[in-house]
Amino acid sequence: KAGVTQTPRYLIKTRGQQVTLSCSPISGHRSVSWYQQTPGQGLQFLFEYFSETQRNKGNFPGRFSGRQFSNSRSEMNVSTLELGDSALYLCASSSGTGNTDTQYFGPGTRLTVL
Amino acid sequence: GIQVEQSPPDLILQEGANSTLRCNFSDSVNNLQWFHQNPWGQLINLFYIPSGTKQNGRLSATTVATERYSLLYISSSQTTDSGVYFCAVDSGGGADGLTFGKGTHLIIQP
Repeated sequence: KAGVTQTPRYLIKTRGQQVTLSCSPISGHRSVSWYQQTPGQGLQFLFEYFSETQRNKGNFPGRFSGRQFSNSRSEMNVSTLELGDSALYLCASSSGTGNTDTQYFGPGTRLTVL
Repeated sequence: GIQVEQSPPDLILQEGANSTLRCNFSDSVNNLQWFHQNPWGQLINLFYIPSGTKQNGRLSATTVATERYSLLYISSSQTTDSGVYFCAVDSGGGADGLTFGKGTHLIIQP
């Protein structure tokens, strides 16, 4: 089975712009979660999508949003970029059907905001 | 929310040495995973282990759920084992996603 894929791998934007990141889960997985990793805050949960619905959300401002398509692919969007949004954004896929669910991570998108 | 503490934060060893990494968590968990983050940033699954003991080659892990800790053992370390090891837990059925510890940065010197 192919693993989790994320595009693009690297991105450079300027303050005030918006950005869209994409994640394709493992075939058959219906849950996609997004995480932000920064040197200061570590790895933090952004949100989770399951069957095209946001199921859970972390403590991030409304500038961070996402969606999931019928094929389980997910996108996250960050509007009005700030310097502090520079981070590695990781997505994880899982079956999403239980509490005991292994998460598999993609290679990440490294976003730099200038 | 649940708190996750990993120790030690940094560890430098010679090739061939053994090591033990610890993860303490503040509440009961449904999910506990150990990851190795490679130099390119990808999180590689090592173990899914909310309780019990598992082994995979030179790596093994034990979680004592009643005492709220997990241990990751690496035997006969190789330079390719270098990187950051994360413990992550989920206590609420996924409501808060995985909560990660700050990681143990392991350096294996030849």
